[in-house]
Amino acid sequence: DGGITQSPKYLFRKEGQNVTLSCEQNLNHDAMYWYRQDPGQGLRLIYYSQIVNDFQKGDIAEGYSVSREKKESFPLTVTSAQKNPTAFYLCASSVDRGAGNTIYFGEGSWLTVV
Amino acid sequence: DAKTTQPPSMDCAEGRAANLPCNHSTISGNEYVYWYRQIHSQGPQYIIHGLKNNETNEMASLIITEDRKSSTLILPHATLRDTAVYYCIVRGYPNYGGSQGNLIFGKGTKLSVKP
Repeated sequence: DGGITQSPKYLFRKEGQNVTLSCEQNLNHDAMYWYRQDPGQGLRLIYYSQIVNDFQKGDIAEGYSVSREKKESFPLTVTSAQKNPTAFYLCASSVDRGAGNTIYFGEGSWLTVV
Repeated sequence: DAKTTQPPSMDCAEGRAANLPCNHSTISGNEYVYWYRQIHSQGPQYIIHGLKNNETNEMASLIITEDRKSSTLILPHATLRDTAVYYCIVRGYPNYGGSQGNLIFGKGTKLSVKP
C-alpha cells in the first residue's frame, strides 16, 4: 500500500534525552512536513522540506532538528532543548508545495516525557 | 495565524446533511480552500479542496460563494463515524522559506453526529 508511515506510535523519553521520530513515504512525493499538536489545539508546523537536502523552519522549530537525505525519509529529532516536548507529532507529504497539490498525513506519533 | 473562521462546534442528526460553514474574507485570488477532518488521536484526513468552482467527491461537496469569502462543506448523509474536528484551511502558492504553500491550522469545528 502507498502511504506515510510514522514510527513509533508511542514513545516515552526521559528528560534531557534526544529522541528521533521516523517518517517514511512511498508516494514519491518531493515535499514533506512535520507538525505538532497539543491537546485540544490545532496543528502547528515545525519544519518542512521541498526537496532532498533542503528544509526550512516552520513556526515552532526551536528545540527540533530534521534531515532530508533521502526523498522518502524525513526524520524529526526532538532535542533536550525543547521545553515542552510531550505532544502528538504528525508527518505529512505532498507532490510538491504547490497550492493545488493535496497534503497527506501519517497516523502520528505520541511522545511523552517522563 | 489561521486565515479562516469556523464555529467551534456543531451538532447533526444521523442521516441528515451536515453543513459546516467557513469564513475566509481575506482570501486571495490564487488561494485554495482545503477541508480536512481529524478523529481523535489520528492523523488529519483530507476531504476536499477547491479554488473557485464548487467541488464534489465521494466524501463531500464544497460550495464556495461567488466572492470566495466563504464556503460550506456538505456531508450529505452524516453517520456517527463522521464525528470529528473539521478544519477549513486557506492555502496559497509557496514562497521559498516562507509559510505560503503550507497548511496553517486553526481550531476547527467539532462536529458531533447524534443518533
